Amino acid sequence: AQKVTQAQTEISVVEKEDVTLDCVYETRDTTYYLFWYKQPPSGELVFLIRRNSFDEQNEISGRYSWNFQKSTSSFNFTITASQVVDSAVYFCALSDASAGGTSYGKLTFGQGTILTVHP
Amino acid sequence: ETGVTQTPRHLVMGMTNKKSLKCEQHLGHNAMYWYKQSAKKPLELMFVYNFKEQTENNSVPSRFSPECPNSSHLFLHLHTLQPEDSALYLCASSQDFGARTAQYFGPGTRLLVL
Repeated sequence: AQKVTQAQTEISVVEKEDVTLDCVYETRDTTYYLFWYKQPPSGELVFLIRRNSFDEQNEISGRYSWNFQKSTSSFNFTITASQVVDSAVYFCALSDASAGGTSYGKLTFGQGTILTVHP
Repeated sequence: ETGVTQTPRHLVMGMTNKKSLKCEQHLGHNAMYWYKQSAKKPLELMFVYNFKEQTENNSVPSRFSPECPNSSHLFLHLHTLQPEDSALYLCASSQDFGARTAQYFGPGTRLLVL
């Protein structure tokens, strides 16, 4: 069975600090996709990034960067120079890509990490 | 226009009421989803529709009844709910149903069952 663990329930930082959100996953499949979503107070989950299991290259997008390490089954998310607008709940999710599997295509979400950035 | 819209945004209902949640996507997607988000629990997938056909019912009680008249609209009909059904109900859509396809979410309907 698939599982996503976000061990950090809540993180509080001061503006301009860097912050890393941890995500550890479990799956038996060799082909899968990992996602990060942001849920601001307005409620909707905003898609941030998708990574497939064969691409371990780290990615940077502005102040956001992602570190995918297959050896440790982790897909961590770092926000550099955090801002108040980054305050939200962040979810890591896993999608099984093994065709025919019972969990194919379904997103398994972690519990989420509540990030609060203080001015 | 916002990609995925949901109405109403807030709903309070008694256990004997019947109400419906509506979701509309303006992204030209072919798959739509209902999720339930309860406090301190991960998001739970409830239903999946792919090209208007229901492909997933994740052991959801029959007091929740989905309807997908076309690829752009998704409804969740509610009747005889219980207080533990109080939650944020999120609708999502994706280009198609597949592992690599990102899902795009609406703002949710916050439901309170009294």
